[in-house]
Amino acid sequence: DGGITQSPKYLFRKEGQNVTLSCEQNLNHDAMYWYRQDPGQGLRLIYYSQIVNDFQKGDIAEGYSVSREKKESFPLTVTSAQKNPTAFYLCASSIGSGTGGFYEQYFGPGTRLTVT
Amino acid sequence: QQQVKQSPQSLIVQKGGISIINCAYENTAFDYFPWYQQFPGKGPALLIAIRPDVSEKKEGRFTISFNKSAKQFSLHIMDSQPGDSATYFCAAILGAGSYQLTFGKGTKLSVIP
Repeated sequence: DGGITQSPKYLFRKEGQNVTLSCEQNLNHDAMYWYRQDPGQGLRLIYYSQIVNDFQKGDIAEGYSVSREKKESFPLTVTSAQKNPTAFYLCASSIGSGTGGFYEQYFGPGTRLTVT
Repeated sequence: QQQVKQSPQSLIVQKGGISIINCAYENTAFDYFPWYQQFPGKGPALLIAIRPDVSEKKEGRFTISFNKSAKQFSLHIMDSQPGDSATYFCAAILGAGSYQLTFGKGTKLSVIP
């Protein structure tokens, strides 16, 4: 089965703790993304990575960090510096090059993080 | 600054009716306009997409209409079914070299029997 997996589906943490969300893809896609979704809002880009060992900040990168050591993996760490971490986090990937597939982003099932 | 404005926020349609969701954009450099469908607790799934050089694209019951001069595009769902009940997002992306999708805020569609 080809696709994007995110784990866990639900995650609970105490305020002040860092937490890492997992994202793995076996689509052989070059580009990977992290989005945050809040109720009634569209998706907002946190970070994206075009190739291994390289990544760029999106619109709301403050309080988050990422790494891209392997093509298939793009973990997101929500740090204690993130003021409102409770949200639905979505990972996506795209081929990253070429005319049509370049733009098409495929999403994982998401991780719902609750921080109390 | 919201670059893609989506309306309505919510929509109720009778089974068999036509659902219409509208989006307007500001940046004329946008080059690709996808629509995503999201069921509760799931990730969005790409539904259909269009480029600005095409005025209409149809895939099954789903049609995108694109008006480049008005900077507007819309999703039409013909013969709407209860299984179409979901949240729909329009999005836009700049041309080659850009990786950042800009999303509308979503429309929650409910199709009632």
